Amino acid sequence: AQSVTQLGSHVSVSEGALVLLRCNYSSSVPPYLFWYVQYPNQGLQLLLKYTSAATLVKGINDFEAEFKKSETSFHLTKPSAHMSDAAEYFCAVSLRGGFKTIFGAGTRLFVKA
Amino acid sequence: ETGVTQSPTHLIKTRGQQVTLRCSSQSGHNTVSWYQQALGQGPQFIFQYYREEENGRGNFPPRFSGLQFPNYSSELNVNALELDDSALYLCASSLRDVGGTDTQYFGPGTRLTVL
Repeated sequence: AQSVTQLGSHVSVSEGALVLLRCNYSSSVPPYLFWYVQYPNQGLQLLLKYTSAATLVKGINDFEAEFKKSETSFHLTKPSAHMSDAAEYFCAVSLRGGFKTIFGAGTRLFVKA
Repeated sequence: ETGVTQSPTHLIKTRGQQVTLRCSSQSGHNTVSWYQQALGQGPQFIFQYYREEENGRGNFPPRFSGLQFPNYSSELNVNALELDDSALYLCASSLRDVGGTDTQYFGPGTRLTVL
């Protein structure tokens, strides 16, 4: 069975600082991996996805994530945080040919001025 | 904007009542999934419909049921509402290809409150 663990329910960074949100997954077969962002009272917006092409995946708004099979990790990074990045971030995993996506519990990102 | 719409935006019901939530998929998508997101938690998979048939189900009781129509719009029905059903209900549409379900695009959700 697949699972996702997001380390840290809350992360706080200063504006302009590096953003690092951690995600570890468990899957018996090569997975698809996703990062979504959710702003208050809104649905989920896809930031980026990994589907077995390049291990370093670039997404929208300068976010990127690196798939590391040996560490079963898919951490999300952004070089310089903006105030507008403050939101809830979800890591998710699904199986190729599978029908459901498993989400982590989420990490709330706070950006300080 | 993902092109996925949901209605209503907010809904208040009483315990024991029934509710129907609606979702309009993104144009060209043939698969719709429903998720329940309780406050402070990640979305939990309820079920998925592909070409009008239930394609998979999460750990939810039978009082959660759904429909997908020929135009690929969808409904989520919940009977005998319980207080714990209070949550944000998210619909996601996708285009299934030969390799399996592609990326899901989420609607804004329906906030259900059960009193």
